[in-house]
Amino acid sequence: AQTVTQSQPEMSVQEAETVTLSCTYDTSESNYYLFWYKQPPSRQMILVIRQEAYKQQNATENRFSVNFQKAAKSFSLKISDSQLGDTAMYFCAFMIFSNSGGSNYKLTFGKGTLLTVNP
Amino acid sequence: KAGVTQTPRYLIKTRGQQVTLSCSPISGHRSVSWYQQTPGQGLQFLFEYFSETQRNKGNFPGRFSGRQFSNSRSEMNVSTLELGDSALYLCASSLDNGGYQETQYFGPGTRLLVL
Repeated sequence: AQTVTQSQPEMSVQEAETVTLSCTYDTSESNYYLFWYKQPPSRQMILVIRQEAYKQQNATENRFSVNFQKAAKSFSLKISDSQLGDTAMYFCAFMIFSNSGGSNYKLTFGKGTLLTVNP
Repeated sequence: KAGVTQTPRYLIKTRGQQVTLSCSPISGHRSVSWYQQTPGQGLQFLFEYFSETQRNKGNFPGRFSGRQFSNSRSEMNVSTLELGDSALYLCASSLDNGGYQETQYFGPGTRLLVL
């Protein structure tokens, strides 16, 4: 069974500072995608960043970057220059990708980390 | 390009009733997935549809069903509602071009309250 663990239920950071959210996962599969989604109070689930497991280079999207350690099954999210609009619940998730192409289209989510950015 | 849309946004039902939720994917997206979000269980996968066929299903009772139409729009139905079905139901769509565009984009959700 695939599982995702986010060990930090809540975190807070001062505006303009950097914060790292942790995520570990467990799977016996070798090909998968990893994602970070954010869910602000509006409840809209928004994609933050995506990482293909076969890529060694860590993904970056503007102020957001990941530290992907495949052997350790770790996928942390770093948010630089935190902004008030970053306040949200952050979910780590992964999806299996099959060698024959495509995926099982099932996202397995962690329980989430509630991040509060303070002014 | 318009995002994923879900209707209705809010719904109140009583135990024993049934409910149908609708999801329109991003134009050109052929895969639609459904998730249930509750405070206790978190986000759980319900099922996924592609070309009007259910390709994958989560561990939910048979009261939860879905379908997809030829235009990729999808509906999910919950029959004989229980109090525990109160949740935010999220729909997500993805391109599914058989390659590497498997990212799921979510709609705003339908909040269902069962009394």
